[in-house]
Amino acid sequence: DQQVKQNSPSLSVQEGRISILNCDYTNSMFDYFLWYKKYPAEGPTFLISISSIKDKNEDGRFTVFLNKSAKHLSLHIVPSQPGDSAVYFCAASAGDMRFGAGTRLTVKP
Amino acid sequence: NAGVTQTPKFRVLKTGQSMTLLCAQDMNHEYMYWYRQDPGMGLRLIHYSVGEGTTAKGEVPDGYNVSRLKKQNFLLGLESAAPSQTSVYFCASSRGGNGYGYTFGSGTRLTVV
Repeated sequence: DQQVKQNSPSLSVQEGRISILNCDYTNSMFDYFLWYKKYPAEGPTFLISISSIKDKNEDGRFTVFLNKSAKHLSLHIVPSQPGDSAVYFCAASAGDMRFGAGTRLTVKP
Repeated sequence: NAGVTQTPKFRVLKTGQSMTLLCAQDMNHEYMYWYRQDPGMGLRLIHYSVGEGTTAKGEVPDGYNVSRLKKQNFLLGLESAAPSQTSVYFCASSRGGNGYGYTFGSGTRLTVV
């Protein structure tokens, strides 16, 4: 019963271009959505979040968009940099937090 | 500025053995969590605690027990390890519930043979 789904296991993007990572959820009770970034042999680190009452939140090169009617959120990274290469986890919270399976982003120089 | 510290980092157990994973945080966070990460499954919540002396079950609690005797520590126990418990275990803490980003430890890689 995966309530948070990231259907793309991997994504490859050229440096300087936009990276778009997608996430779908099924539980309409989720009221906070977050993105985490994970490098190998490290724990995930919090990147950006959005409340269900908003449809966009921006932090520097990172923007998260929320479409509640479609139960879909996305993370945009512009411009992408090689240091952004990592696994990105989408998460949703309605008390405790549920995570997607992750998308491995590779940014090529 | 340690954040969340997990010990040990690696461990190999034989089936049926027991062990305890220790998580310590120095940020005075109320909430603490144990997750396991398996390929293709993402992070799944095992148990969590909303304060000293409290614990609650997550998505996959079977085969695990936890204790939060001190605010800064959250222990995860495996009473009788099984190969299905081979995984990477992450501890996390947060200031509150909804909307607060979690601070994760660097993980414990456990192999049960």
